[in-house]
Amino acid sequence: GAGVSQSPSNKVTEKGKDVELRCDPISGHTALYWYRQSLGQGLEFLIYFQGNSAPDKSGLPSDRFSAERTGGSVSTLTIQRTQQEDSAVYLCASSFNWGGGTPKGNEQFFGPGTRLTVL
Amino acid sequence: DQQVKQNSPSLSVQEGRISILNCDYTNSMFDYFLWYKKYPAEGPTFLISISSIKDKNEDGRFTVFLNKSAKHLSLHIVPSQPGDSAVYFCAARGYNAGNMLTFGGGTRLMVKP
Repeated sequence: GAGVSQSPSNKVTEKGKDVELRCDPISGHTALYWYRQSLGQGLEFLIYFQGNSAPDKSGLPSDRFSAERTGGSVSTLTIQRTQQEDSAVYLCASSFNWGGGTPKGNEQFFGPGTRLTVL
Repeated sequence: DQQVKQNSPSLSVQEGRISILNCDYTNSMFDYFLWYKKYPAEGPTFLISISSIKDKNEDGRFTVFLNKSAKHLSLHIVPSQPGDSAVYFCAARGYNAGNMLTFGGGTRLMVKP
């Protein structure tokens, strides 16, 4: 289908290793968001990209987290030196527009997520 | 400090009855409120939203009520169906925060046939 896709669907890694999570947004969507959901918690905003503007990184929990969006499309979330508390489901979303107006026009479409387990 | 809270982690309802999911918030700068539905192993999907200038929005079996003075919103599902069984997330968008959403912890709804 033409929805948001994420890979891998599951990732198990050892503490201290680096991981890369990938998100393919819906074609034509200008905005892309990363969230994470820890066990029993709600979705926590991490970072978003809008077009060619500088990303809003205000939700990144530490400098071990970084994200890129190449060519305004695919995004990669990188976690360096993973810790056990990084274990969570990492969700990516995209939307056609960003900014004011009704949420329906800026509806965020979510991917299925990547479940990260740090041993 | 959780700005959006869903105090009931789970709710069980009989098929055909009303489901009421509640959400409280603390930030008076939120201008839109949304409900998302999430099935296992899938991403959340948008369900219904309401502007802070309204107190009710209805879409089929789903109605969202907003009480600004109490900083409280609720989602009513009538009649509830087994297919409604999922985790429901309340989310809020801050004024001038672009499209960034703050989510609650979710409520797992189980509709029993």
